[in-house]
Amino acid sequence: DAGVIQSPRHEVTEMGQEVTLRCKPISGHNSLFWYRQTMMRGLELLIYFNNNVPIDDSGMPEDRFSAKMPNASFSTLKIQPSEPRDSAVYFCASSPGLKETQYFGPGTRLLVL
Amino acid sequence: AQSVTQLGSHVSVSEGALVLLRCNYSSSVPPYLFWYVQYPNQGLQLLLKYTTGATLVKGINGFEAEFKKSETSFHLTKPSAHMSDAAEYFCAVNKTYSSASKIIFGSGTRLSIRP
Repeated sequence: DAGVIQSPRHEVTEMGQEVTLRCKPISGHNSLFWYRQTMMRGLELLIYFNNNVPIDDSGMPEDRFSAKMPNASFSTLKIQPSEPRDSAVYFCASSPGLKETQYFGPGTRLLVL
Repeated sequence: AQSVTQLGSHVSVSEGALVLLRCNYSSSVPPYLFWYVQYPNQGLQLLLKYTTGATLVKGINGFEAEFKKSETSFHLTKPSAHMSDAAEYFCAVNKTYSSASKIIFGSGTRLSIRP
């Protein structure tokens, strides 16, 4: 299996621009998680889905952030408009079920200038 | 509410020495506990997990952890450190409420290995 696939791996954008991060979970996994990692705040869970349905989005920082999972093999995390404080590494993870081991993608390193 | 506390943001040991990374949890229900490792510029990778049964859990790369309910601890150990063990380690607990569940990560401990 190819593991969790994230794209792009690196993104540099200017403040105010829209940013879309993409994730392809491991085939057969029912749960998908979006995390953000920064030096200051560590690893934060933003939102997670089970069977394509958002279960808990209480970690989403504000309305500028949105996430979708239109089908079992694809999810997006969108930031619009982006701000410098959004600069971080964003990880996607998937698992067979909510209580199961999570498998992380390589992350997208986002820099907002 | 479930949470984890990792004692020590940075631990440094000599190559060949014992590795001990501390994790304490709080949970009102029997917890699921995890240790993940993150190598530079990579995502997190599962080292080991405790769900039920045997309290001493063995993981990859020679690591193990013991669930001690009386101490609410799940410390990670390795008898002899290798240079390749240098990484950041995260303890995590599974938070369960109603029909949902999510993993809560600790703040991480960076492990350095001295030659």
